[in-house]
Amino acid sequence: DTAVSQTPKYLVTQMGNDKSIKCEQNLGHDTMYWYKQDSKKFLKIMFSYNNKELIINETVPNRFSPKSPDKAHLNLHINSLELGDSAVYFCASSQGEDYNEQFFGPGTRLTVL
Amino acid sequence: AQTVTQSQPEMSVQEAETVTLSCTYDTSESDYYLFWYKQPPSRQMILVIRQEAYKQQNATENRFSVNFQKAAKSFSLKISDSQLGDAAMYFCAYRTYNQGGKLIFGQGTELSVKP
Repeated sequence: DTAVSQTPKYLVTQMGNDKSIKCEQNLGHDTMYWYKQDSKKFLKIMFSYNNKELIINETVPNRFSPKSPDKAHLNLHINSLELGDSAVYFCASSQGEDYNEQFFGPGTRLTVL
Repeated sequence: AQTVTQSQPEMSVQEAETVTLSCTYDTSESDYYLFWYKQPPSRQMILVIRQEAYKQQNATENRFSVNFQKAAKSFSLKISDSQLGDAAMYFCAYRTYNQGGKLIFGQGTELSVKP
C-alpha cells in the first residue's frame, strides 16, 4: 500500500562506481520528482518529469541521468560516483504542478566511500 | 529567482505549549503556493499544512495554523498544544506555476519538544 516507494533505502558504494535508485508511485500521479538532501538537510530539486517527459533539470551534472519508463516510475542512474554525491535522495510525485500535495518516498541514503 | 528563508535553525518548546516557526520568501509572482513539511527522525517527508497565495484566510489543520502575510512575504507556522510527536525538522516550501511543480525549500528548523 506504499504510495511512493524507493529502492534501495541504503546504498554504500565506492567512488567511481555506477549505481541506480528506483522509484515507483501507485497514486496515479502524472508528475514525478527527484530531490537531493545534503548533509545539512537542505533539500533541492534535481529533476521533474510530467507524463514521462523531462520538465526540469536543475543544473545537475550529466553523470545523473533520470529515466521514466512510464508514468508510475522514475529511476535515477548515477555514473562515476563522487564523494560529494553522498546524500539522501528523495523521489516524490504529485498530480499536476500546482496546489496538490507532493507525496515523498522514504528516501535513499547514498554513501560514497 | 525565488528563495525561502527560515532564520531559526533550532527551536524548543515545552509540551502543551505553543511555538511559532518563521518563514520568509522572496518572489515577484502574485500567484503561488506555500507549504510546511515535517521530517521526523524517520526521514519521511510529511505535509503539515498548505496555503494558496490568493486566499486571505489563514489555513488551519487541527493544532497547526499559519500566519500568512502576503505583503510582508511571511508564512509562519504555529503549533498549539505541542506534543512529543511534533519533534522534527520543519521545512517551509514555495511553489509556483510553469516551473515543473518544483518545491523550493527553506533551510529547515529543528524543533525539540520538552516533556
